[in-house]
Amino acid sequence: KAGVTQTPRYLIKTRGQQVTLSCSPISGHRSVSWYQQTPGQGLQFLFEYFSETQRNKGNFPGRFSGRQFSNSRSEMNVSTLELGDSALYLCASSLDHFDGYTFGSGTRLTVV
Amino acid sequence: QQQVKQSPQSLIVQKGGISIINCAYENTAFDYFPWYQQFPGKGPALLIAIRPDVSEKKEGRFTISFNKSAKQFSLHIMDSQPGDSATYFCAAVTSGTYKYIFGTGTRLKVLA
Repeated sequence: KAGVTQTPRYLIKTRGQQVTLSCSPISGHRSVSWYQQTPGQGLQFLFEYFSETQRNKGNFPGRFSGRQFSNSRSEMNVSTLELGDSALYLCASSLDHFDGYTFGSGTRLTVV
Repeated sequence: QQQVKQSPQSLIVQKGGISIINCAYENTAFDYFPWYQQFPGKGPALLIAIRPDVSEKKEGRFTISFNKSAKQFSLHIMDSQPGDSATYFCAAVTSGTYKYIFGTGTRLKVLA
């Protein structure tokens, strides 16, 4: 079966711009979570969506937002980009939390 | 209380040796403990997971040992191979939250 697909794979943006990242989960998975991965902070939870509703949110500023569509595809948006937002953004889908996540390969965002 | 402490930060093991990575937690509400393996340029992949009602789970060369009273769990990789060289993350999650708390990761290098 197809895995979790994230687009684009790489992105370079300028400070102050905004960016939208996309994630297509595994078919049938209704839970989609987003993580930020950096060498210094590791994997940090951003938010989780289930059936188009945000169920959980991490400790990130309001510049980070997301949404989920009726087909379970999800997008995350970062507005007013800062240099510190440079990271690998990972999307993960799950059927149930006891099944574990399936991660995508991520979107590498570089803010210059 | 939401942290998961992982050690060591890096590990070098000879081919055929045993790799051991440890994690400790404080929150007794955690009830699912997965381990993820991440290769460069890829998202983390679920390796093996355990629930607190068992003390050990084995899948091939990978074993999780779980000590509920000490609030610790560890990953053992038997007969380590160069192909096991990757970064390993432990995680913990509470029922229904879908919010994984990840350890900081262990970079494993297996020498041929």
